[in-house]
Amino acid sequence: GAGVSQTPSNKVTEKGKYVELRCDPISGHTALYWYRQSLGQGPEFLIYFQGTGAADDSGLPNDRFFAVRPEGSVSTLKIQRTERGDSAVYLCASSLTGSGNTIYFGEGSWLTVV
Amino acid sequence: GQNIDQPTEMTATEGAIVQINCTYQTSGFNGLFWYQQHAGEAPTFLSYNVLDGLEEKGRFSSFLSRSKGYSYLLLKELQMKDSASYLCAVRERNTDKLIFGTGTRLQVFP
Repeated sequence: GAGVSQTPSNKVTEKGKYVELRCDPISGHTALYWYRQSLGQGPEFLIYFQGTGAADDSGLPNDRFFAVRPEGSVSTLKIQRTERGDSAVYLCASSLTGSGNTIYFGEGSWLTVV
Repeated sequence: GQNIDQPTEMTATEGAIVQINCTYQTSGFNGLFWYQQHAGEAPTFLSYNVLDGLEEKGRFSSFLSRSKGYSYLLLKELQMKDSASYLCAVRERNTDKLIFGTGTRLQVFP
């Protein structure tokens, strides 16, 4: 596609529920990043994929968070047993390579846990 | 690990020039990015520096000094639409992970 696409754009869920957020990167981009951003803060790193593999998942806050990228394109961020503190914007970004000089962000998925 | 510092807020007047500074500490450096983010929107790419010096792109310029762990974003001929947050981000050498600062919120007044 023309840009990084994320769905859903908005999600309201109840505490304890399971949520999946999808990211469709720019076609041909091998590097894919997930970030979380709270109001007034910079994006916080969650996980980075190079191709199908997670090159760095050190930012995932706990084992309720998991992400996959089975075919090296679309990625899904999965959050189990959601908590109110998970409410944030979840941003996905992609780059042609891991050392590319331009990294493009999607519009984000706004998650609210009530 | 990484530590990135930038001022929280800045104000400037339309038509003026503003410089937003960013200092960083890193165990391995592989490039510095500047992004613009309007409220409620995704960050948009502004510039990338990996070598020392100044990169100019229209009204925006970005400077890097690797020895000092320092960068700045220079915005000239400010317009009202430049009111936004400006994010400095450093890429780690070994992991290619991009680490962001908290951002500088710039308000441009008429």
